[in-house]
Amino acid sequence: AQSVTQLDSQVPVFEEAPVELRCNYSSSVSVYLFWYVQYPNQGLQLLLKYLSGSTLVESINGFEAEFNKSQTSFHLRKPSVHISDTAEYFCALLTGGGNKLTFGTGTQLKVEL
Amino acid sequence: EAGVTQFPSHSVIEKGQTVTLRCDPISGHDNLYWYRRVMGKEIKFLLHFVKESKQDESGMPNNRFLAERTGGTYSTLKVQPAELEDSGVYFCASSHQMTSGSFASYEQYFGPGTRLTVT
Repeated sequence: AQSVTQLDSQVPVFEEAPVELRCNYSSSVSVYLFWYVQYPNQGLQLLLKYLSGSTLVESINGFEAEFNKSQTSFHLRKPSVHISDTAEYFCALLTGGGNKLTFGTGTQLKVEL
Repeated sequence: EAGVTQFPSHSVIEKGQTVTLRCDPISGHDNLYWYRRVMGKEIKFLLHFVKESKQDESGMPNNRFLAERTGGTYSTLKVQPAELEDSGVYFCASSHQMTSGSFASYEQYFGPGTRLTVT
């Protein structure tokens, strides 16, 4: 069975500081990985995805994540956060041939001035 | 294109009552999914439709939950009778049909969710 672990439930950080949100997964088959973001009072939005090819993927707003198969990780990073990045971030896994996403418990990123 | 829409955005009902949630997927998306997030926990899969057929309903909690997708367009999720533990946010998502060699169906687009409170 597959699972996703987000060890940090909350991550406070000052504006313009770097941040890393950790995600580890467990699966015995090929995986596809996603980061979703939920801004306050909004729905889930797809932030970035790893489906194939380059293991380093980027979003349009400066986030990046690297698929590391040996460490079974897909950590999300941003070199300099903005107050508008305050949101809850979810790591999710889709296994090959399946369609249901398996989510982590989410990480609340709070950016402070 | 319009995104996934869900109605209502909030619903407060008493234990024992019935509630019906609606989801309108992105036009042309054959795949429709329901997920639920109980407070403080992870978002969990409930079921998956391909057009009007239930492809996977392994996540449905019990027989008080009934999902339909008549005509392969919008979907409804009925909870009858509602219990306290049914409270949470219900998300709907949709994706393109599966085609060989394409990852398009792997990208699920989510609606804003329906927050259900059972008192």
